[in-house]
Amino acid sequence: QKEVEQDPGPLSVPEGAIVSLNCTYSNSAFQYFMWYRQYSRKGPELLMYTYSSGNKEDGRFTAQVDKSSKYISLFIRDSQPSDSATYLCAMSEEDYKLSFGAGTTVTVRA
Amino acid sequence: EAGVAQSPRYKIIEKRQSVAFWCNPISGHATLYWYQQILGQGPKLLIQFQNNGVVDDSQLPKDRFSAERLKGVDSTLKIQPAKLEDSAVYLCASSLVSTIYFGEGSWLTVV
Repeated sequence: QKEVEQDPGPLSVPEGAIVSLNCTYSNSAFQYFMWYRQYSRKGPELLMYTYSSGNKEDGRFTAQVDKSSKYISLFIRDSQPSDSATYLCAMSEEDYKLSFGAGTTVTVRA
Repeated sequence: EAGVAQSPRYKIIEKRQSVAFWCNPISGHATLYWYQQILGQGPKLLIQFQNNGVVDDSQLPKDRFSAERLKGVDSTLKIQPAKLEDSAVYLCASSLVSTIYFGEGSWLTVV
């Protein structure tokens, strides 16, 4: 069993739809939870950063962490074609060593 | 603020040849990482430096991979000899505390 499991996708949604991305994990020591966006032929770019459980909102993006269920989510509201990318969840213990999910590729159709 | 710089961006080599990748982290970032990302997978940590000392190299295939960080700034990752399964993106990243910033990656194809 992988330490971090991410819904594989791919996802294709119409412009303006809500995109929902999810990851589960097995390591209860994870404290830091991140979502990275990776465009084709580019490196991962940090989108959201959350410590422990709870919700965090930044513009059209909302990250949720449920440590009791070992489950994290990213929601993208009013999706745009520019949101088309691969989204990677990542998490770490206090040592900041990241464990990544395999990524979900999202396509937003104009 | 300049980001993490990597070169070369793309490299194609034959198996058993050698290759080296260079990384210049964000100025002032003490921690530097090399990750390997195989197509369709998330990045996997190869080695982590704190200044010019190795913090974690447990996932580095030391029979063929080596890395160094001279003077606690730039870093080089070398593969010798390369195997077909080394085809991947090699991502350099750096951090000051907890937030890790990635470069655009060096794309390696081994044929």
